[in-house]
Amino acid sequence: TQLLEQSPQFLSIQEGENLTVYCNSSSVFSSLQWYRQEPGEGPVLLVTVVTGGEVKKLKRLTFQFGDARKDSSLHITAAQPGDTGLYLCAGARTNAGKSTFGDGTTLTVKP
Amino acid sequence: GAVVSQHPSWVICKSGTSVKIECRSLDFQATTMFWYRQFPKQSLMLMATSNEGSKATYEQGVEKDKFLINHASLTLSTLTVTSAHPEDSSFYICSARDPPVDTQYFGPGTRLTVL
Repeated sequence: TQLLEQSPQFLSIQEGENLTVYCNSSSVFSSLQWYRQEPGEGPVLLVTVVTGGEVKKLKRLTFQFGDARKDSSLHITAAQPGDTGLYLCAGARTNAGKSTFGDGTTLTVKP
Repeated sequence: GAVVSQHPSWVICKSGTSVKIECRSLDFQATTMFWYRQFPKQSLMLMATSNEGSKATYEQGVEKDKFLINHASLTLSTLTVTSAHPEDSSFYICSARDPPVDTQYFGPGTRLTVL
């Protein structure tokens, strides 16, 4: 059973469209991270959320942590081809504990 | 953000040889580092947790005698793939935890190809 369910698995959209990626679990996390990975490179940290209900914005990206700290979402406004990549959510169930990764969302933004 | 380096970035070796991959945290001390394996278009698969000064903790199904991990200092962990075979070919990525922010930072990965 996958601890973190990430959806959708694949997403192909046109430049300028909006999208949302979801990360859901039945477990409570002490913190949750979102990463973006390009082919042949390591994941790059986008954000860490730790407080239930927390919303963080990073330019056109909006991250939300659920009130119960079991789920999270990533919303991208006006997607650009440069947003193309693999988006990964990762949650830690305890402080300093190992993280569990979702299966990832492969986003393709067509010009 | 914190920087983690990995060396080499790619390696090609013959079947039966051993390959060592280094993971370094460049601007912070990491008591815990992690080693992952990633197949094309898939997410990260945790192989083991490396703790400075103690034995690594391996995930179920990962052979500890095949994937040797050494975390000799607060800034360096190494993964040695022993007697490598073609099925060991993969993208190996390390990460290091920065304790004050309790966040993992990833290295750029190492592409291993075993002929």
